[in-house]
Amino acid sequence: GAVVSQHPSWVICKSGTSVKIECRSLDFQATTMFWYRQFPKQSLMLMATSNEGSKATYEQGVEKDKFLINHASLTLSTLTVTSAHPEDSSFYICSATGGGTEAFFGQGTRLTVV
Amino acid sequence: GDSVTQMEGPVTLSEEAFLTINCTYTATGYPSLFWYVQYPGEGLQLLLKATKADDKGSNKGFEATYRKETTSFHLEKGSVQVSDSAVYFCALGGGYQKVTFGTGTKLQVIP
Repeated sequence: GAVVSQHPSWVICKSGTSVKIECRSLDFQATTMFWYRQFPKQSLMLMATSNEGSKATYEQGVEKDKFLINHASLTLSTLTVTSAHPEDSSFYICSATGGGTEAFFGQGTRLTVV
Repeated sequence: GDSVTQMEGPVTLSEEAFLTINCTYTATGYPSLFWYVQYPGEGLQLLLKATKADDKGSNKGFEATYRKETTSFHLEKGSVQVSDSAVYFCALGGGYQKVTFGTGTKLQVIP
């Protein structure tokens, strides 16, 4: 299947700093990318949907000014957690689709804010 | 809206036991259905999928059949191994649509 690479796989940052997570589709053009968040021992919750070249659509309750999403090209989307706080510590996973029947997931990024 | 309900875990089985993880869904239209597996500390891997009614997805000894009449997509495996220990997510959607996940079922297989 298609490959989606997410980087970094884990990151520790200080409270108040910003962290950028990259999601790349390596062998296909991803017209749509999704960002999910997974709390410990819970399911994945969709945060936002991004289409190449347009603004992301955020799910209800997700702060767009805190979780900045950019989808500037057909192979790259970024999620920036601004002014991170300990409650933002979580596992973030992206997925990408080129329009087939399935979305392909990255490896995930474990963010720890101290 | 769309939703997925799957049996709560954890499920603990002895090696070579039969596995069933129940999954039912609510959706408009006829979505694609998936089972994803997440090993400890890792991301999601697609285990199998079915795109239309009566389709059977299969992979690595796991099977699931898309049952429109019962809106179900139960996961089965005839003989589990220790290496199958992981969290299993039932999901629907895909393509240009978001994927809606169930809550996940943790499977622990003991030797």
